Amino acid sequence: EAGVVQSPRYKIIEKKQPVAFWCNPISGHNTLYWYLQNLGQGPELLIRYENEEAVDDSQLPKDRFSAERLKGVDSTLKIQPAELGDSAVYLCASSPGTSGKASTDTQYFGPGTRLTVL
Amino acid sequence: DQQVKQNSPSLSVQEGRISILNCDYTNSMFDYFLWYKKYPAEGPTFLISISSIKDKNEDGRFTVFLNKSAKHLSLHIVPSQPGDSAVYFCAASAWNRDDKIIFGKGTRLHILP
Repeated sequence: EAGVVQSPRYKIIEKKQPVAFWCNPISGHNTLYWYLQNLGQGPELLIRYENEEAVDDSQLPKDRFSAERLKGVDSTLKIQPAELGDSAVYLCASSPGTSGKASTDTQYFGPGTRLTVL
Repeated sequence: DQQVKQNSPSLSVQEGRISILNCDYTNSMFDYFLWYKKYPAEGPTFLISISSIKDKNEDGRFTVFLNKSAKHLSLHIVPSQPGDSAVYFCAASAWNRDDKIIFGKGTRLHILP
């Protein structure tokens, strides 16, 4: 079974440029997460989807970040415009969504996209 | 305010010995705890979890202990193997609060030959 797929794996851009990350979750997984991981830190949740609905986007900086999961499968996270402080690893994860509790459902992470903003 | 704390950034253990990774938390509402393991250039992978109604959970070489009164949990790996060298993240959640997982900063474990 294929795992969570993310692309690109690495991205280098100049500040003020836009950037987009793509995630394809494990087939059949209803719940999709985007996390931000700064250097030396643990992952921090940005947004959680249940199918196509964003059920927790409280940590997403909405002035410059946006996300979508139009058909309830793959998802895109966008930053526009990027700032120097956005340099980090962006992780996508998915879970079956069968337990009814996102916090106890096992989450499967992709390899992440490492973003460098110059 | 860091709710999940892993105070040891790194730990070195001889192959075959026991590795003990520690984690403290501040939020008494947390009722579910997890450990994730991460290799370089890969995403974290789930290792083991424990509910607050238990004080121990074991899965092969991995055992997690929970001390609710001390707000402390630990992961024991016995015996330690070279493939265990990775970063270990402690995480916690409070289902009846906001239903999301809070991760610690991680501890890098080095297994020495």
